[in-house]
Amino acid sequence: DTGVSQDPRHKITKRGQNVTFRCDPISEHNRLYWYRQTLGQGPEFLTYFQNEAQLEKSRLLSDRFSAERPKGSFSTLEIQRTEQGDSAMYLCASSFGLVDEQYFGPGTRLTVT
Amino acid sequence: AQTVTQSQPEMSVQEAETVTLSCTYDTSESDYYLFWYKQPPSRQMILVIRQEAYKQQNATENRFSVNFQKAAKSFSLKISDSQLGDAAMYFCALEYGNKLVFGAGTILRVKS
Repeated sequence: DTGVSQDPRHKITKRGQNVTFRCDPISEHNRLYWYRQTLGQGPEFLTYFQNEAQLEKSRLLSDRFSAERPKGSFSTLEIQRTEQGDSAMYLCASSFGLVDEQYFGPGTRLTVT
Repeated sequence: AQTVTQSQPEMSVQEAETVTLSCTYDTSESDYYLFWYKQPPSRQMILVIRQEAYKQQNATENRFSVNFQKAAKSFSLKISDSQLGDAAMYFCALEYGNKLVFGAGTILRVKS
């Protein structure tokens, strides 16, 4: 068990470009979550999957954001036409079951210039 | 709406002393879970302690304990015998609808 991993750890992109982040959860975990954390704030929920099904999306997740979890394993979060306001740390977490502890990955820090 | 409030942006404690971090929350649910997470600088978030709302007994994990006051919707974290490694950002979180709602966090500094 290597924990939750995220790739890349850092991403710098220019405004208007598309970016994609990957999250690999702990292997037996069926739930996967994405959060966004801006500097000095707590993480904010974006979306979550149970297996391959995306069960909930936050209002924070605009049409430019899309997330997938094919085959219920790894997940990708894509941001199209990035804006400076998208600069943040994007955290992935996974858990097994409804109220099990969520295990967090190290995050992907996105900087939009 | 579910909200979590941490009113202390920053706290300091002397090594080996005790410190208490405050958290209040609001929820209309009767059964829920509360958590304290620790986020060291440039490192990933880890769970410190959890509390089930239906349990009256306060949770304890080694040097970490909580004071859970359900009627007051208060959930404070006490760290005893503080160590340099406890220095981090601490987040209080409420489990709601299959997701976590976090407070803004409290930076804990530990002085040697």
